[in-house]
This record gives sequence, structure tokens and C-alpha cells, in this order.
Amino acid sequence: NAGVTQTPKFQVLKTGQSMTLQCAQDMNHEYMSWYRQDPGMGLRLIHYSVGAGITDQGEVPNGYNVSRSTTEDFPLRLLSAAPSQTSVYFCASSELAGGYNEQFFGPGTRLTVL
Amino acid sequence: AQSVAQPEDQVNVAEGNPLTVKCTYSVSGNPYLFWYVQYPNRGLQFLLKYITGDNLVKGSYGFEAEFNKSQTSFHLKKPSALVSDSALYFCALTEERGNFNKFYFGSGTKLNVKP
Repeated sequence: NAGVTQTPKFQVLKTGQSMTLQCAQDMNHEYMSWYRQDPGMGLRLIHYSVGAGITDQGEVPNGYNVSRSTTEDFPLRLLSAAPSQTSVYFCASSELAGGYNEQFFGPGTRLTVL
Repeated sequence: AQSVAQPEDQVNVAEGNPLTVKCTYSVSGNPYLFWYVQYPNRGLQFLLKYITGDNLVKGSYGFEAEFNKSQTSFHLKKPSALVSDSALYFCALTEERGNFNKFYFGSGTKLNVKP
């Protein structure tokens, strides 16, 4: 099992550009989520999904879109990048939805918006 | 509203000494609490969780945590620290009622274990 994979590892964008961060898991996990990690702020939930076709907003959803057409994939789209979106982005998954399950994290994508 | 606080940005301990990384929380219902560890340039790894039952929870790599409902705390502990324990530690929370698919993380505590 590869676990949770994320691409790219690094990305530099200019303000206003759009891009998609890819996330995939091969564990048949029901729950998937996206976080951003900023210094001194820990991880903040952007969006999550409890199954294919079902997504919902987290704590900081503005400026980001998600979709979940398959169990395996959960891409995060930045519609019009802003410097405030410079961060490290982590995708995570857990076997079942529900707060009692531990999450498996991908290695992260470091995004810089100029 | 749910929240997690890790009051110490950094904890320094000598190898072989006991360590404690503090976490306090705020929820309206019953909490589900987690500890994760992050090594440099890596994703987070699960250490342990409290869902219900025994207040002392044992996890990976010799770590344990004690759930204290009256003090709303979930401190991470280890009897004897190793240099390899040096990393960034995060406490995380969700709750039994409401939207239990939303997780809230603390700001993280950097643990430095000196030889």
C-alpha cells in the first residue's frame, strides 16, 4: 500500500493563477480531508468528504473547492491563488467517517503564492 | 465552539527524563481526543486516542496520555525520553455530538530531547 499520496511536493504560483493539488489513497478509506498548516496555527481543516459524491466545508474553506468522484481521489482546487494561501497542505484519510477514527496523512504539498 | 490549546510552543527535556506535553480542550459535549507527531518535512503520524473508557491511554513508541474531564486536559507523557522523540506534537479534538467529522488541532508543541 502506498497509503496517502500527494502531488506535487512543491509548487510556486503567481497571484491569480489556479491549480489543483492532488490527493489519492489506496486503502479504500471512506473519509478524506484537506488541511493547511501555518506556523503557530497548527492544522486547520479546509474541506472534508465522508464518501464519494459527498463533501462539506471545514474551518477555512474560502478560496478552495473540492470534489470526490471516486473513493480514492480527493483533489483540492485553488480558484485564484492569493499570497494568503501560501502554506503547507496536507491530505488525510481514515477508514470510516466519524470522530473516533485516526487519520493517515500524506507527505504534504508546500505551496508558495507570489 | 470546539477548541484545543497547547500552551507551550516548546518543551526541552534531557534524554532519560520523563516528558509531558500539555493539551487542554473546550467542547460542549463529550470529546474525542488524539495525539499526532510530525517529524521534519513529513506528514503527521497517529500516536494515540481517547474515545471513552479508561482515562489512561497507551499508544505508540511508549507514549501515553491521561484524559482529565474536570480539568479538560489530555496531556501526553512518556516515562523516559529519547533523542529520537524530538519532533512536533499536535493534539486534536472532535466531539461526540454535532459535526463529529470536523477535527480541530492545537498549534503544536516542539519537543527537544537533548542527549
